[in-house]
Amino acid sequence: NAGVTQTPKFRVLKTGQSMTLLCAQDMNHEYMYWYRQDPGMGLRLIHYSVGEGTTAKGEVPDGYNVSRLKKQNFLLGLESAAPSQTSVYFCASSYLGSSGNTIYFGEGSWLTVV
Amino acid sequence: AQTVTQSQPEMSVQEAETVTLSCTYDTSESDYYLFWYKQPPSRQMILVIRQEAYKQQNATENRFSVNFQKAAKSFSLKISDSQLGDAAMYFCAYRSAQQGGSEKLVFGKGTKLTVNP
Repeated sequence: NAGVTQTPKFRVLKTGQSMTLLCAQDMNHEYMYWYRQDPGMGLRLIHYSVGEGTTAKGEVPDGYNVSRLKKQNFLLGLESAAPSQTSVYFCASSYLGSSGNTIYFGEGSWLTVV
Repeated sequence: AQTVTQSQPEMSVQEAETVTLSCTYDTSESDYYLFWYKQPPSRQMILVIRQEAYKQQNATENRFSVNFQKAAKSFSLKISDSQLGDAAMYFCAYRSAQQGGSEKLVFGKGTKLTVNP
């Protein structure tokens, strides 16, 4: 059971570089989310998607872009990385509506921007 | 917008004792879900327990139970017979059950639980 898989797990970037985090889920979930976790801040929502081809902004979207071209994949892009984007990033997914009220998380991706 | 508040940044408990972690939330909705997630040093997010707002009965999962007070908007987690493996960050989270919404999880800032042998 793969569940929610994030790649890469670790990455070090230089300021100004770009990169993409990939999230893949094999549970046929409609909803997918990207969160970031910083010390003392809990998890904050960056962007989310309620279905293939749709995305929406969360609480802290600035500096990030996302795409959901396939139902099972949700990509998070950093076009020009900044040190403030050093964080642990979590992808999550769930079913639509009350048929599945639990959100499943990936194992996290550690990103350091120097 | 919904908010979740965990007023205890850190808590400690002796092994085999009982500890209660506090959580309050703010919402104008009547139908929603509440969760406690555990995050050990590995950073994996592990679902501990969940509560449907329409259910009056408090949820229990083995040594974990909640005290859900809907009118007070309070959702505390009680850990009985604490074990060393319970040491972790614990996050309280809210999820709307409103149809057509994003149904995203809103998290509190977490409580770091230390278990002393």
